[in-house]
Amino acid sequence: DAGVTQSPTHLIKTRGQQVTLRCSPKSGHDTVSWYQQALGQGPQFIFQYYEEEERQRGNFPDRFSGHQFPNYSSELNVNALLLGDSALYLCASSSIGFEQYFGPGTRLTVT
Amino acid sequence: AQTVTQSQPEMSVQEAETVTLSCTYDTSENNYYLFWYKQPPSRQMILVIRQEAYKQQNATENRFSVNFQKAAKSFSLKISDSQLGDTAMYFCAFTRGGNEKLTFGTGTRLTIIP
Repeated sequence: DAGVTQSPTHLIKTRGQQVTLRCSPKSGHDTVSWYQQALGQGPQFIFQYYEEEERQRGNFPDRFSGHQFPNYSSELNVNALLLGDSALYLCASSSIGFEQYFGPGTRLTVT
Repeated sequence: AQTVTQSQPEMSVQEAETVTLSCTYDTSENNYYLFWYKQPPSRQMILVIRQEAYKQQNATENRFSVNFQKAAKSFSLKISDSQLGDTAMYFCAFTRGGNEKLTFGTGTRLTIIP
């Protein structure tokens, strides 16, 4: 049984560009949450998707958007990249009432 | 809003010794869940142990145990017989439950010395 997978593993973008990160949840999970982890910090909640809708959102600007597909996989999109968007982006999947299981993350570097 | 505080940025201990990591939190909720996650250099966030606030008994998982003090809003992690593979960042996290978001502390970097 595959756990949570994320792609790509790492990427480098230039300021002002747009990026899309992808996440496939653990089998049997229907909820996907995204977190941003800056270097040396704890993860910060971006948003959560359930039944293809954004269910909760953290304190992130509208440049951060997402999508969930019928197979429960999810995408995180970031527009107009800033240097401060450089971070590890973690995806976590869960099912109602259970723990969140994390993927290995995508390391985004903005230059 | 909930907050989670980890006041020990770094700790180190000799292999086979016992170490305790501290965590305090602030919430007005009565029912909630607390977690300790481990993040090794591979970056994968791994769940170590969980505690439900309505349970008075402290959770244990093999060499890992917690000291949950609800009134003091304290949630420490004890690692017994520490092993080299325990070297990692450790994060304390809070959730109201029901698939709500996780709120993390800033982490403690633990190094096990051979």
